[in-house]
Amino acid sequence: GENVEQHPSTLSVQEGDSAVIKCTYSDSASNYFPWYKQELGKRPQLIIDIRSNVGEKKDQRIAVTLNKTAKHFSLHITETQPEDSAVYFCAASSTSGTYKYIFGTGTRLKVLA
Amino acid sequence: DVKVTQSSRYLVKRTGEKVFLECVQDMDHENMFWYRQDPGLGLRLIYFSYDVKMKEKGDIPEGYSVSREKKERFSLILESASTNQTSMYLCASSIPGLTDTQYFGPGTRLTVL
Repeated sequence: GENVEQHPSTLSVQEGDSAVIKCTYSDSASNYFPWYKQELGKRPQLIIDIRSNVGEKKDQRIAVTLNKTAKHFSLHITETQPEDSAVYFCAASSTSGTYKYIFGTGTRLKVLA
Repeated sequence: DVKVTQSSRYLVKRTGEKVFLECVQDMDHENMFWYRQDPGLGLRLIYFSYDVKMKEKGDIPEGYSVSREKKERFSLILESASTNQTSMYLCASSIPGLTDTQYFGPGTRLTVL
């Protein structure tokens, strides 16, 4: 069936360094790729998303890249800060179908001060 | 601002009890979703609904049912709770074809003893 693989499961970086989280999807019909951040005890919140008609999108310190041929997409966080510590989930969706997401298993990011 | 609320933040039930988890959204969203979140497994889709009285099975529907009698309300039902249904349950809603973004509720942590 459809699945999304996410790596790494945990990631520790020093404050100010960059963090990269990678996801690979299996359904070639996927055309929408959101990233969610979930802080401890809180709900997942969308931080950035990308559609299949673009290869890269940036919003301040976060960026997402998409390689449709290889079916993978990545989240890049630059100049990490302690408040970036959270669990990050990638997802893939086909907007021509049922709009359901297939989520990755999550990455716990720790930014060390 | 989209608001998705869930009836309880914490719930403790006994094995064999019937459990109702309720989700309400105030933005007239057509799509609503129920996920369970377990460490290392990410968010897994239980059921979703794209219209009143419509429902579709997700990836792990066994042991669950749903009800959507009104557009704003989506209920998850555990007919006979079991200990392996102890988990965090998250509800989400979205408008299909507009932004496709799913907005999450705060979650219900269910413990079945």
